[in-house]
Amino acid sequence: GAVVSQHPSWVICKSGTSVKIECRSLDFQATTMFWYRQFPKQSLMLMATSNEGSKATYEQGVEKDKFLINHASLTLSTLTVTSAHPEDSSFYICSARGVGGGDEQYFGPGTRLTVT
Amino acid sequence: EDQVTQSPEALRLQEGESSSLNCSYTVSGLRGLFWYRQDPGKGPEFLFTLYSAGEEKEKERLKATLTKKESFLHITAPKPEDSATYLCAVRSTGGGNKLTFGTGTQLKVEL
Repeated sequence: GAVVSQHPSWVICKSGTSVKIECRSLDFQATTMFWYRQFPKQSLMLMATSNEGSKATYEQGVEKDKFLINHASLTLSTLTVTSAHPEDSSFYICSARGVGGGDEQYFGPGTRLTVT
Repeated sequence: EDQVTQSPEALRLQEGESSSLNCSYTVSGLRGLFWYRQDPGKGPEFLFTLYSAGEEKEKERLKATLTKKESFLHITAPKPEDSATYLCAVRSTGGGNKLTFGTGTQLKVEL
C-alpha cells in the first residue's frame, strides 16, 4: 500500500519551454501533497504544499509563478515548471499524506529534469 | 528554525559489521521524527516514525531509537542490499505539515 507514482521519470527540455510533472497516489486518497527539489548530495528541500481543491502554499524563496502547482483531485497533483532555465535542472520529488492517515509522507520515484 | 544534522556523511561497512547512524535535531516541539531510505535516482522509502523519547521501532535489521535531542538508526549484521542513503526528517509543532530533512548518511555494505 501507499504507492505514489510520478510521470515522467525523466525529461529534457529546451530553455524557455514549460514542463509538467504529474504525481499520483495509486492506492490511497491524498488530502495533502508535497513537492520537493533535491540537488546532488544535498537534502530534500520542500518547495510547496498543496491541498486538494485549494491553492498551494509555497516555501519562502520559491517563485509561485514559475512553479505552478495544481491539486485537482485526491489522487493527482501536478507541478508545471514555466519558462524553464538550466538552473531549474534538478530532481523533483512529490510526496503524499493519506486521508485520515498518520504523519508519514509517501514519496514518488522522482523526476529528473534537464534544461538545455 | 528546525535543524537536522546527520552523521557520519558516509559509512562503509563489511557485511555483518553492525553500526549506528546518528540524527541530531533542534525543534521548537517535536511532532514526529522520520527515517527514510533513498536509493540512487529514486524517491525516499518510508522506514519509521518516532514520536517521543524512549520510543523504539524495528524492521528486519534496522532499529530506530529516539531521545530528546537525537535519534539513532542501528543496523545489525548489514547485508550489501542495505546499501543506500538513510535520511532523517523532523516535523515540528510550529512547522505545520513541513518535514525538515538532514543531508543523509550514505551507507555502503561490502562483501
